[in-house]
Amino acid sequence: AQKITQTQPGMFVQEKEAVTLDCTYDTSDQSYGLFWYKQPSSGEMIFLIYQGSYDEQNATEGRYSLNFQKARKSANLVISASQLGDSAMYFCAMREGYPGGYQKVTFGTGTKLQVIP
Amino acid sequence: DGGITQSPKYLFRKEGQNVTLSCEQNLNHDAMYWYRQDPGQGLRLIYYSQIVNDFQKGDIAEGYSVSREKKESFPLTVTSAQKNPTAFYLCASTPNRGKDNEQFFGPGTRLTVL
Repeated sequence: AQKITQTQPGMFVQEKEAVTLDCTYDTSDQSYGLFWYKQPSSGEMIFLIYQGSYDEQNATEGRYSLNFQKARKSANLVISASQLGDSAMYFCAMREGYPGGYQKVTFGTGTKLQVIP
Repeated sequence: DGGITQSPKYLFRKEGQNVTLSCEQNLNHDAMYWYRQDPGQGLRLIYYSQIVNDFQKGDIAEGYSVSREKKESFPLTVTSAQKNPTAFYLCASTPNRGKDNEQFFGPGTRLTVL
């Protein structure tokens, strides 16, 4: 089974609207972390947001929030008030085990978001 | 400014040649990683290193080799044994301790085999 599943290869959103990018994960570890990265056409990976498995509140970072539903094993990224600069690939990733030192991180296949003016 | 540098940004190689991709970090991180990214796909782990003079194979290590002689440096060699080396290569590192531990990435090297 895939450890990280992103079912939306591509998404369109109107500028200033909100958009949700889906991510489901599969792990038997009790401690794990979920990340979202943005990859513009330049190729760099930009860290957006992190959610630990023991965090009770959903993570938020500016216009980004992570809708964490542990029982459903989903970690969707919500981008509010989309901007043209949000057009990029978005990757969901999971770290299994405790943080610190080496991390086994699995990445999803990504969602290409295009913001329409 | 602390960060990860990768060089070169673009690299062209003839079939049958070995080529080395550079990765340097000044973040004082112990763990470093090499990933490969193909179009339309996520990142796949090639090699990782937890400390100096130690490294381990990732999911797709065949045809690649690494060294870790210094904490700051983790070069990747793509050998002629790698069947399909054209790809985008990303180097990353993680702090030793911390609550979040996101991976810090370099800008990447795009390798094309002619």
